[in-house]
Amino acid sequence: NAGVTQTPKFRILKIGQSMTLQCAQDMNHNYMYWYRQDPGMGLKLIYYSVGAGITDKGEVPNGYNVSRSTTEDFPLRLELAAPSQTSVYFCASSYGVAGETQYFGPGTRLLVL
Amino acid sequence: QQQVKQSPQSLIVQKGGISIINCAYENTAFDYFPWYQQFPGKGPALLIAIRPDVSEKKEGRFTISFNKSAKQFSLHIMDSQPGDSATYFCAASKAGRRALTFGSGTRLQVQP
Repeated sequence: NAGVTQTPKFRILKIGQSMTLQCAQDMNHNYMYWYRQDPGMGLKLIYYSVGAGITDKGEVPNGYNVSRSTTEDFPLRLELAAPSQTSVYFCASSYGVAGETQYFGPGTRLLVL
Repeated sequence: QQQVKQSPQSLIVQKGGISIINCAYENTAFDYFPWYQQFPGKGPALLIAIRPDVSEKKEGRFTISFNKSAKQFSLHIMDSQPGDSATYFCAASKAGRRALTFGSGTRLQVQP
C-alpha cells in the first residue's frame, strides 16, 4: 500500500492564481482531512470528509474548497491564492470515527508570492 | 481560541536523558489524546495515544501520563536517543467528532 499520497511536493504561486492540491489514499478509509501547518502553530483543520459526496468545514476553511467524488481522492482547491496561504498542507485519512489513527501524507509546501 | 496548549516550544536533551513534553486542554468533552511525531520533510505519524479512563500508558520508551482533574497530559521519552530528534505534537478529539485539535508542537533535539 502507498498509504496517503500528495502532489505536488512543492509549488510557487503568484497572488490571485488558482491551483488544486491532490490527495489520494489506498487504504479504503472513509474519513479524509486537510490540515495546514504554519511554523510554531501546529496543524489546523481546513476541511474534512466522512465519505464520498460528504464534506464539512474545519477551523480555517476560508479561501479553500474541497470535493470528494470517490473514496480514494480528496482534492483541495485554492481559487485566489493569497500570501496568507503560504504554508505546508497535509492530507490525512482514517478508517473510522474519532479515536482512530489518522495517517498523514508527506505534505505539499506552497509559497504564494 | 487555543484549545490544546503545548510546552515547551523546544527542548534539548542529552542522549540517555528523559524528555518531557506537556499539554493542557480546556474542553472537558475531549476523550482521546494522541501524540504525533514528525520528522523534517515528513507528515506526522501516530506515536502513542491514551483515553481518559487510564492515568498512564506505556509503549517501549514512550509513556503518556494523564491527569483528568488538572486537564493535563504529558509525553515522557525515557533513554532519549538522537533518533528521537523530531517535532512532537499533542492532540485531542471528542466523541462524535472526526478531527483532531493539535497543540503547537515541541521541537526535540537529543544531543549525542
